[in-house]
This record gives sequence, C-alpha cells and structure tokens, in this order.
Amino acid sequence: DTGVSQDPRHKITKRGQNVTFRCDPISEHNRLYWYRQTLGQGPEFLTYFQNEAQLEKSRLLSDRFSAERPKGSFSTLEIQRTEQGDSAMYLCASSLGETGTRFFGPGTRLTVL
Amino acid sequence: DAKTTQPTSMDCAEGRAANLPCNHSTISGNEYVYWYRQIHSQGPQYIIHGLKNNETNEMASLIITEDRKSSTLILPHATLRDTAVYYCIVRVATGANNLFFGTGTRLTVIP
Repeated sequence: DTGVSQDPRHKITKRGQNVTFRCDPISEHNRLYWYRQTLGQGPEFLTYFQNEAQLEKSRLLSDRFSAERPKGSFSTLEIQRTEQGDSAMYLCASSLGETGTRFFGPGTRLTVL
Repeated sequence: DAKTTQPTSMDCAEGRAANLPCNHSTISGNEYVYWYRQIHSQGPQYIIHGLKNNETNEMASLIITEDRKSSTLILPHATLRDTAVYYCIVRVATGANNLFFGTGTRLTVIP
C-alpha cells in the first residue's frame, strides 16, 4: 500500500503523559499536514510542512504540541502533558505541492483518561 | 476562504443518484470548490474539484451554477459503500494551506 500511513491507530493514555504519533506520507509528496478531528466535527488544521520546514501553525497548536519532519519524509506529532480535551482523532495528509487535493491517512485515535 | 452551507443529513436509495447540494454565496472569483468524503473511522478522501465548469471523474460529477454561488455533487448510482459524511470546501487557488471542512452532510444510502 503506497498511501499515507499513521502509527499507532489507537492510543489510550492517562492524563499528564506524553504521546507521540507518526505519519508516513506518500513518498514523493513534499507537503505534509496534521489535522485534529473531534466527534461530530470536521477535521481542523493544526500545522503543515513543506519538506522539513514547518511553515504554518494553527492557534489550535498549543505549546504542549510539537511536530517535526526531520528529513522531509515522515513526521511526528508529540503531545506533552496530555489533557482530556486532547482526546480526538489526529489525521495526517500529504500532497505534491500547493494543492487542495490531499491524501489522508487513517488517523490515530487518542483517548486521554 | 468563503464559507459553505450544507444540509446536515440526507438519505438516498441504493442504485439511485445522490445529489448533495452546497451553498457558497460569498465565493470569490479565484476560489475553487472541493468535495471530500469521510467514511466512518477512515480519513477524508478527495472526490473532485472545480472552478467554473462542470467536472466529472470516475467517482462523481460536480455541477457548479453559472453564478458560482452553489454547487451539487452527484453520485450517479449510489451504493452502500457511499454512506459517508460529504464535505464541500471552498479554497483559493494559491496561498491557502488550510482546508476548512465544516460539519458536512451525512449521506446514508438505504438498501
């Protein structure tokens, strides 16, 4: 399968713990996006990378969140000191260049107890 | 980006055409209309997009009114696998890194 993959698919953690998610985009795609989706809502933009550079961050991305794409390939999203309000589906997408046509991964569902 | 308005939910009989409307009355001349769908427990899937002209691909057809203030996504022969939330998104051609999904239309295809 050459689509966008995310790992893990599900994560349950206790409040205050740190969690890290990984996204592997489609190999030739230079843009990578992170979104968050809560129940009943559409995905909300968090941040995006062009190659290894993080070019935009939403106000939703608090200082407890950090994202990296060190070699311009896979990306990680870390949440420190998780809160119950962080419970959501975290989606990754990639695209080739600046386009509205994006390919999404299956998401990582985070549950904070 | 211009905002969109979609019905909260719709039903469609299996095998019939599903016509999903979207209003985008404040759309600007350089904004495209995109459609995505999200099947339960999966990530969103791109369907189709257009600027002025009607568009068709293997998944669907997109009909944009002449004044561009509304559009309709048509699934010509709906199947049970088309049950999903459908998002209509308006996006400028360049410089916009966000895709504002809204809450979409929940389409249920009924056997």
